[in-house]
Amino acid sequence: GAVVSQHPSWVICKSGTSVKIECRSLDFQATTMFWYRQFPKQSLMLMATSNEGSKATYEQGVEKDKFLINHASLTLSTLTVTSAHPEDSSFYICSAAPGLAINIQYFGAGTRLSVL
Amino acid sequence: AQSVTQLDSHVSVSEGTPVLLRCNYSSSYSPSLFWYVQHPNKGLQLLLKYTSAATLVKGINGFEAEFKKSETSFHLTKPSAHMSDAAEYFCVVSAPRDYKLSFGAGTTVTVRA
Repeated sequence: GAVVSQHPSWVICKSGTSVKIECRSLDFQATTMFWYRQFPKQSLMLMATSNEGSKATYEQGVEKDKFLINHASLTLSTLTVTSAHPEDSSFYICSAAPGLAINIQYFGAGTRLSVL
Repeated sequence: AQSVTQLDSHVSVSEGTPVLLRCNYSSSYSPSLFWYVQHPNKGLQLLLKYTSAATLVKGINGFEAEFKKSETSFHLTKPSAHMSDAAEYFCVVSAPRDYKLSFGAGTTVTVRA
């Protein structure tokens, strides 16, 4: 149980294009989903928190116009990296909280984004 | 505010020997503590969690951790390392009803045959 699916696992795109990453909770409903960014050999940094049906809450320093988050249903959140540039290349990981104890999060397998 | 310090950036063990990963925490409240494992190019898998119940917490794959309030520690152990345990391990803390997880810097475990 508590499986989170993230797609795609790896994406390569040209500079200036937009990329959408999907995060799905497969066997539970997730009122809250989270997006993290991880640089090589570093820890995870929370980018934003998304709640179903409302606007995402972004952490300080994260550009909300660059990283668009949509939490359309209780099982799906998407992260769109708009007008991607090489500095956006990173490993993006989503997580989902299945209940009221939202600090218990289950993580997707991550998406490696490479912007050429 | 909550934070964790993982005392070792890299731990190397021989297969079949014990593993010890050290984590100290700082918290203004009674914390929730977690250990996650990340295999290369993979997401994080929850190994175990402490949420103010028993201080000795058993997790998956033979791992366990002990919450010691007096030492503000939550060290992760496994009696016998397996090759498949080679991965990155993160100690994580949060306040009981706070969604924000504070991650340690991570400990890389290598297992020698």
